[in-house]
Amino acid sequence: DVKVTQSSRYLVKRTGEKVFLECVQDMDHENMFWYRQDPGLGLRLIYFSYDVKMKEKGDIPEGYSVSREKKERFSLILESASTNQTSMYLCASSLTGRGFEEKLFFGSGTQLSVL
Amino acid sequence: GQQLNQSPQSMFIQEGEDVSMNCTSSSIFNTWLWYKQDPGEGPVLLIALYKAGELTSNGRLTAQFGITRKDSFLNISASIPSDVGIYFCAGLSGNTPLVFGKGTRLSVIA
Repeated sequence: DVKVTQSSRYLVKRTGEKVFLECVQDMDHENMFWYRQDPGLGLRLIYFSYDVKMKEKGDIPEGYSVSREKKERFSLILESASTNQTSMYLCASSLTGRGFEEKLFFGSGTQLSVL
Repeated sequence: GQQLNQSPQSMFIQEGEDVSMNCTSSSIFNTWLWYKQDPGEGPVLLIALYKAGELTSNGRLTAQFGITRKDSFLNISASIPSDVGIYFCAGLSGNTPLVFGKGTRLSVIA
């Protein structure tokens, strides 16, 4: 069965801390994505990657960076966490490289609270 | 970027009722999709639509790709408690990632 695993279900951090959100997929997918989900705002794309060491900015990249050193792992980094980054973060993957297809596989999400 | 307008934002319905929700855009999409997010989980793809005018069913769910390619509709017949969740429309066009609507939160009262 396909699986996208996010390392933490809940995370509490302090303002100014560096935060790492980890995501691993076991499906040999080319594309990986990071979204944040806020009530009333839906899913907003932060960053995506279509290959190892490749990354592209999504709609709201400010305050975030990403790392993809291995195909199966895509990390989201908050260099200096702020309270407005309190949110649910969802990782997703899909099969096709350099193209986009409709079937995204999502992880269960990480609820991050920044105090 | 592109935006999708999804409505209603939330719905409270009695078990057994039918449900309708829709999604509109000012842009044309080549593919329309409907995802469902169960509480505490990530979204899962329910239905994919690839042609204008297409009507596709998945059990009690029926979705349509609008003729103008700028809208889509999802209907759920005879709702049951496990239909509870957030439903997202999404559009795909060209070589860009999926664009998601803001979601419709469905609550079913037994």
